[in-house]
Amino acid sequence: AQKITQTQPGMFVQEKEAVTLDCTYDTSDQSYGLFWYKQPSSGEMIFLIYQGSYDEQNATEGRYSLNFQKARKSANLVISASQLGDSAMYFCAMREVYFTGGGNKLTFGTGTQLKVEL
Amino acid sequence: DTAVSQTPKYLVTQMGNDKSIKCEQNLGHDTMYWYKQDSKKFLKIMFSYNNKELIINETVPNRFSPKSPDKAHLNLHINSLELGDSAVYFCASSPRSTGPGGNQPQHFGDGTRLSIL
Repeated sequence: AQKITQTQPGMFVQEKEAVTLDCTYDTSDQSYGLFWYKQPSSGEMIFLIYQGSYDEQNATEGRYSLNFQKARKSANLVISASQLGDSAMYFCAMREVYFTGGGNKLTFGTGTQLKVEL
Repeated sequence: DTAVSQTPKYLVTQMGNDKSIKCEQNLGHDTMYWYKQDSKKFLKIMFSYNNKELIINETVPNRFSPKSPDKAHLNLHINSLELGDSAVYFCASSPRSTGPGGNQPQHFGDGTRLSIL
């Protein structure tokens, strides 16, 4: 079974600084997908960034980048130039596919609560 | 132009009651899901439907019964509500997966906060 570990329950960062949120995973699959979602205090789940196991380059989406180290099974999220609006819970997730029926599910980590300070 | 919409947003009810949560997506996706987020914010899948067919049922009590009248809708009915059912329930959708490395994210609704008194 797949497992996602986020070891930082809470993080603080100064506005305009960069911050790294850690995520390690455990899987025996060769092909997998890793996702990061943001959940602000209003509660919705917002997709941020995706990394495929066969992608040779680290994913980037605006101020978000993914530091993917396959051998270490880590997929850390880097947020550059933090803004007050980045304060939220951040979840790392891995896609697991059920080949029967073509379904898939996301296995989530426990999340990291990020607070951006002035 | 909401992509995945759930109703209601809040649901407060007594123990023992039966309630339903509705979900609709206008993204043209084939696959829909229900996730439960507990009080510690942990998210876990409950069900997945692919084009109206149940494909994932993660050992959820029989009191929970999903229904998919068409591929754009996935409703969740809960019988005999218990205190432990208090949580936020998220509906999500995605294209049918082409493999575990598929890059299509799941799109989530805003969640339904269920509180059992």
